[in-house]
Amino acid sequence: DADVTQTPRNRITKTGKRIMLECSQTKGHDRMYWYRQDPGLGLRLIYYSFDVKDINKGEISDGYSVSRQAQAKFSLSLESAIPNQTALYFCATSDSKDIATDTQYFGPGTRLTVL
Amino acid sequence: AQKVTQAQTEISVVEKEDVTLDCVYETRDTTYYLFWYKQPPSGELVFLIRRNSFDEQNEISGRYSWNFQKSTSSFNFTITASQVVDSAVYFCALSEAGTALIFGKGTTLSVSS
Repeated sequence: DADVTQTPRNRITKTGKRIMLECSQTKGHDRMYWYRQDPGLGLRLIYYSFDVKDINKGEISDGYSVSRQAQAKFSLSLESAIPNQTALYFCATSDSKDIATDTQYFGPGTRLTVL
Repeated sequence: AQKVTQAQTEISVVEKEDVTLDCVYETRDTTYYLFWYKQPPSGELVFLIRRNSFDEQNEISGRYSWNFQKSTSSFNFTITASQVVDSAVYFCALSEAGTALIFGKGTTLSVSS
């Protein structure tokens, strides 16, 4: 089984709908991240969480919210989806206890289309 | 401010050619980490390498090699004897002392047979 899973993998929705993207990990990492990828722009950070009680905004948090339900789960919500939120969304995890590496490992991505 | 620049948007080569992907970074910190990730057509992000700012040793892993030069703030990636399976988008990324990653915009490598 994959260490970092994302559900759904693909989603098509309409403008104004509320959408939740979920991320789960079995790596035992304390840090989790949400990024979005747009063609030609690379990946940009939306939110990140260094532990269950810690939530931080990233570069492009407007229009998004997150919830860290447990160390292993980190959800991203679009309260009212709009077409320019159409993108590929990635969840990532890393381990602060291993600061010598602290490498981020990514889930498979969720392709979201907002019509 | 942190910044990662991958000036090459797209590169096309023929199998067995060597190819170098450039990455230039900006940071004010003396402690930072540099990464390369590969995104094949299937879409997942695959971690390739991590380098600490205090370790300028170059690294070789099979056909892949990385050249880290602090003097020019560069962390270039070379694929020797490229293969069709190397076709992907490659991202260079930077983090300062374990914070979130700042990505470059990626270089799309196409290797034809």
